[in-house]
Amino acid sequence: DAKTTQPNSMESNEEEPVHLPCNHSTISGTDYIHWYRQLPSQGPEYVIHGLTSNVNNRMASLAIAEDRKSSTLILHRATLRDAAVYYCILRGQVFGNEKLTFGTGTRLTIIP
Amino acid sequence: KAGVTQTPRYLIKTRGQQVTLSCSPISGHRSVSWYQQTPGQGLQFLFEYFSETQRNKGNFPGRFSGRQFSNSRSEMNVSTLELGDSALYLCASSLQGAPPGDTQYFGPGTRLTVL
Repeated sequence: DAKTTQPNSMESNEEEPVHLPCNHSTISGTDYIHWYRQLPSQGPEYVIHGLTSNVNNRMASLAIAEDRKSSTLILHRATLRDAAVYYCILRGQVFGNEKLTFGTGTRLTIIP
Repeated sequence: KAGVTQTPRYLIKTRGQQVTLSCSPISGHRSVSWYQQTPGQGLQFLFEYFSETQRNKGNFPGRFSGRQFSNSRSEMNVSTLELGDSALYLCASSLQGAPPGDTQYFGPGTRLTVL
């Protein structure tokens, strides 16, 4: 599996935007970039995914570099509820390959 | 729709015992995956079941096994428990197991403590 690299931790002030980076220099042309997050005492939850174009949903935006070797998860207005560990994961387009390979993720702390 | 449910939520066992954990996927989901989460190793994939068949397997010893029933519910069994098996065991379900659009939905986990 192609690997991702994320900062161990980040802090952000409440109600400000947060940019969480992820490097994936060995990404293959068919790998999708997925983001999950894990809130304290909960299982991971899906946030967003994309292939080449930037993506938006109600939770966040995903900005993908033109060479696809890096991406950034954007939380437009952080709240205390966004404090979690954020995981950037690459997923190939292989039917039946349900294995998610989690790295160490980025622990996001929101400062009130 | 109800989310993924796992039972029990907490479990305490002693070394050498065996344990069975249960997972009920979201209604209509046919794929169930299991993960182990520990402070030292993070989140690691155990195995995945689809239509009652194990389809993917992680790098865990044979003491870890699982099965899936015709209603997609899944159980995971760990025999001859070791102290290092203390962890949060997470179950995730997805519709067909067809990435990339087929996302996984995780349950709250079962916290296993081995004494």
